[in-house]
Amino acid sequence: QSVLTQSPSLSAAPGQRVIISCSGTSSTIGNNYVSWYRHLPGSSPELVAFNDDKRPSGIPDRFSASKSRSSATLAIAALQTGDEGDYFCASWDSGVSTVIFGGGTRLTVL
Amino acid sequence: QVQLVQSESDVLKPGSSVKVSCKTSADIVNNYSVHWVRRAPGQGLEWVGKIAPSVGITKSADRFRGRVTLTADTSTATAFLEVRRLTFDDTAVYFCGRSVMNDFYFHMDVWGQGTTVVVSS
Repeated sequence: QSVLTQSPSLSAAPGQRVIISCSGTSSTIGNNYVSWYRHLPGSSPELVAFNDDKRPSGIPDRFSASKSRSSATLAIAALQTGDEGDYFCASWDSGVSTVIFGGGTRLTVL
Repeated sequence: QVQLVQSESDVLKPGSSVKVSCKTSADIVNNYSVHWVRRAPGQGLEWVGKIAPSVGITKSADRFRGRVTLTADTSTATAFLEVRRLTFDDTAVYFCGRSVMNDFYFHMDVWGQGTTVVVSS
């Protein structure tokens, strides 16, 4: 089964810009749309980007997502302490017909 | 506002089964798939499976195949996840959520509040 690879952690200061990356394969990101989620333990995951680069209503434009071939990124500008959390990418895996989530990136805003 | 309401948390013994419910809406059971995702302590989000209630199609992750059953009662717009032969590793918060039926466009935009399942002897 394919995997989506994310860096385990990232930290930055308020006001800075960070980029969270997600690397997949042709059977996942390369040929299927990518979505991104933020999850804080104790709450439900929140969709922050979908269909590679679309932003749900209510998500500020500081969040931007993109995709190139089999890799995807989520950029967060003008970081705020409220942006902390665990960020996960996800896509359909056409090879085995299942959904796959990345391992997650813990974002800390110092 | 669209809401998914899940059943209450539970504590179970190893080897037993749990059935988690997810109350949705007529629109969801007719037009969307309901996916199940879990998060175990210290782990990331893990996809468990999905059901498209209107067409009765189900799919589960390989590691759960044979141990999980996904069903839906369209008359009450409720989806169910049953996990059998529970082990300590099944201790997690289980979430349901909706996604469009075409998996190419998979994204879960509405989520349930989560159901904590603790497996303890």
